[in-house]
Amino acid sequence: QKEVEQDPGPLSVPEGAIVSLNCTYSNSAFQYFMWYRQYSRKGPELLMYTYSSGNKEDGRFTAQVDKSSKYISLFIRDSQPSDSATYLCAMLRGSGTYKYIFGTGTRLKVLA
Amino acid sequence: ETGVTQSPTHLIKTRGQQVTLRCSSQSGHNTVSWYQQALGQGPQFIFQYYREEENGRGNFPPRFSGLQFPNYSSELNVNALELDDSALYLCASHTEGNTGELFFGEGSRLTVL
Repeated sequence: QKEVEQDPGPLSVPEGAIVSLNCTYSNSAFQYFMWYRQYSRKGPELLMYTYSSGNKEDGRFTAQVDKSSKYISLFIRDSQPSDSATYLCAMLRGSGTYKYIFGTGTRLKVLA
Repeated sequence: ETGVTQSPTHLIKTRGQQVTLRCSSQSGHNTVSWYQQALGQGPQFIFQYYREEENGRGNFPPRFSGLQFPNYSSELNVNALELDDSALYLCASHTEGNTGELFFGEGSRLTVL
């Protein structure tokens, strides 16, 4: 079993839709949770970073962490064609190691 | 503030050859990590360097090796290339103590024939 599971998609939605992207994980030691966006032929860029359970909002993006269920989500409101990319979840155990564990990524296409 | 830069952007090698990939860290960042991203997969941690010393390693064989220089630039070396080494190799840097944001370069796409 992989430490981090993520549906690879592809996920196609119309412009303006609310998008929900999810990851599950098996290691309860993960403390830091991140979402990265990766455009084709580019390196990943950080969208959201959360520590512990709860919600964090930044503009059209909301990250949600439920440590009891080992489940994290990224919501995108009012999705735009420019949001079309691969979204990667990433997790980190905590201090002493910087070995980030990434999901496989979900390909998202927002249709104009 | 300059970002993370990697070279070369693309290269083609044959099985058994050796390759060196290079990375210049973002200004002020003293820690660099290398990741391998196969097609359709998420990045896999290869190793990390902090102040010129290896500071953590993933499940990669010893033919994957690295260096970090006093200016915090870095190299990834892969010996005895195999077909499965074909991937996008990503360099990422971050400041000491940072546990959130990795700053990734654009990657070096390696094809092994």
